[in-house]
Amino acid sequence: GQQVQQSPASLVLQEGENAELQCNFSSTATQLQWFYQRPGGSLVSLLYNPSGTKHTGRLTSTTVTKERRSSLHISSSQITDSGTYFCAMITGYQNFYFGKGTSLTVIP
Amino acid sequence: GPKVLQIPSHQIIDMGQMVTLNCDPVSNHLYFYWYKQILGQQMEFLVNFYNGKVMEKSKLFKDQFSVERPDGSYFTLKIQPTALEDSAVYFCASSPRDRAANERLFFGHGTKLSVL
Repeated sequence: GQQVQQSPASLVLQEGENAELQCNFSSTATQLQWFYQRPGGSLVSLLYNPSGTKHTGRLTSTTVTKERRSSLHISSSQITDSGTYFCAMITGYQNFYFGKGTSLTVIP
Repeated sequence: GPKVLQIPSHQIIDMGQMVTLNCDPVSNHLYFYWYKQILGQQMEFLVNFYNGKVMEKSKLFKDQFSVERPDGSYFTLKIQPTALEDSAVYFCASSPRDRAANERLFFGHGTKLSVL
């Protein structure tokens, strides 16, 4: 079946440090989307990035479709960035597959 | 931005009862999804739905589960009968799927189902 691998599983940073989250997928994804979830909260779409590099605020995503990978870079992390980050890919079968997420904790 | 609404936010029922989770997807969206998430764990795909039909379902989508969207009303997930292991947060999502292949996924806030 389709697989989405995210790394690291968890990450602890001091406020102000940068974070690099990775997503690798087992088959060619036609689309890729990064989400954020607070504990007990819903999923918030961060970036929709099927290919290339996209920016929004302190977030930068780079997706290399041929290499089946995507990254999410968070610059100057803040305490409010703490939560779980998911990547989800869609394949030709019109379904979104999620990774297990990266749990980010930003400490003062 | 576009919003997916889920009703109710929390449902508590006794094991064996029937439950219906309601989702009001973004208007003009064409694809609808249900995902299941047990606290702190991965988002698990259940089913997707397009043009009045189930397009794909996972092993988690047991025989006790059914989905429908009668006449453009709520997109519903019905579980009958419920089991203890059905306790989870159920997220509804919708996707536009327009000609530009704009396949962004929009999520509701989830319905927390507690089966006692």
